[in-house]
Amino acid sequence: AQSVTQLGSHVSVSEGALVLLRCNYSSSVPPYLFWYVQYPNQGLQLLLKYTSAATLVKGINGFEAEFKKSETSFHLTKPSAHMSDAAEYFCAVSDGGTSYGKLTFGQGTILTVHP
Amino acid sequence: DTGVSQDPRHKITKRGQNVTFRCDPISEHNRLYWYRQTLGQGPEFLTYFQNEAQLEKSRLLSDRFSAERPKGSFSTLEIQRTEQGDSAMYLCASSYTGATNTEAFFGQGTRLTVV
Repeated sequence: AQSVTQLGSHVSVSEGALVLLRCNYSSSVPPYLFWYVQYPNQGLQLLLKYTSAATLVKGINGFEAEFKKSETSFHLTKPSAHMSDAAEYFCAVSDGGTSYGKLTFGQGTILTVHP
Repeated sequence: DTGVSQDPRHKITKRGQNVTFRCDPISEHNRLYWYRQTLGQGPEFLTYFQNEAQLEKSRLLSDRFSAERPKGSFSTLEIQRTEQGDSAMYLCASSYTGATNTEAFFGQGTRLTVV
């Protein structure tokens, strides 16, 4: 069975500071990993995805994530936070193949950005 | 294409009533997924379709829940005899699985409140 653990349900940073959101996964097969962002009362928007190509993945809005198999991690980073980054972020894992779109999500991390 | 569309966006119902939600996926996508998201949690998988066939149902999907995708296009999720515990955001997503696979694209969700 797959699972995702997001360390820290709330993260607070100052505008311009580094953003680091942590995600660890468990999977019995090589995983496909995703980060989604959710704004209040909205659906989920894909930020980036890892599908066994490059281990450093660049996404939208300046976010990137690095797949580290030895640490079973897929942490999300952004060098400089912007007020518009305030939202809830979800890490998710998929088996890939025919189950590519079926996702197991973490609990989410709410990012607050202070001026 | 306007993306995944869900209707209604909000639904308030009395306990014991039946409710039905609709999801229109991205037109070329053959897979459609339903997820449920309760406050402070990540989305949880409920069920998915490939074209009109329902391929998997989570144990979260009790007998009071039924989903259909009659012509392989839009889908409906019905909850019978609603309970307060059914209050949640119901998210629909679609993807394409075939020679190439796409990630899941999410709709804006239907927020159900059972009073």
